[in-house]
Amino acid sequence: GEDVEQSLFLSVREGDSSVINCTYTDSSSTYLYWYKQEPGAGLQLLTYIFSNMDMKQDQRLTVLLNKKDKHLSLRIADTQTGDSAIYFCAESIGTGANNLFFGTGTRLTVIP
Amino acid sequence: DAGITQSPRHKVTETGTPVTLRCHQTENHRYMYWYRQDPGHGLRLIHYSYGVKDTDKGEVSDGYSVSRSKTEDFLLTLESATSSQTSVYFCAISEYREETQYFGPGTRLLVL
Repeated sequence: GEDVEQSLFLSVREGDSSVINCTYTDSSSTYLYWYKQEPGAGLQLLTYIFSNMDMKQDQRLTVLLNKKDKHLSLRIADTQTGDSAIYFCAESIGTGANNLFFGTGTRLTVIP
Repeated sequence: DAGITQSPRHKVTETGTPVTLRCHQTENHRYMYWYRQDPGHGLRLIHYSYGVKDTDKGEVSDGYSVSRSKTEDFLLTLESATSSQTSVYFCAISEYREETQYFGPGTRLLVL
């Protein structure tokens, strides 16, 4: 499969901004996604960005894409305790049998 | 959640026994997927379906089979469960192959 890498852990204080980073290897990706997984729950789609965009903002969420460096980030402004979860980035590549590749997930802990 | 349920939500079984997990959707989406989630690996695709009776293998299909006799149901079968199949299994759906995937709540399987 493709390599999609994320750091495993991130801790921030409530009210601060969180930045979760992701790197990927395949330059032919079409969409890049951020999913959120709360304890014991499935994956919830947070946002996504088309590969020809470099930024997307959605309320407290800002996605930045650097295609040259194959780097994707998710910034959460004014982080709240309810944002504590595991965040997965995923890369969509073409239409083959395996077209969605996930990172290992970053566990975000928000400290009150 | 996008009208996706999985059953059972939790299961404990013994090595060598058959296990069937069910995914049910109410969205009438064409594509359905089975993933497994393991620490350090993110989510990996097991099998997917692109229509009734149409299925294909994913990245980690060995030891698993699937069936789809109705649009709304996608079954994952472990013919003879092994301890290495202890995992959390997620079903996902999408309207088209390239479109965003929406995930079910997951099934936690423990093989003793």
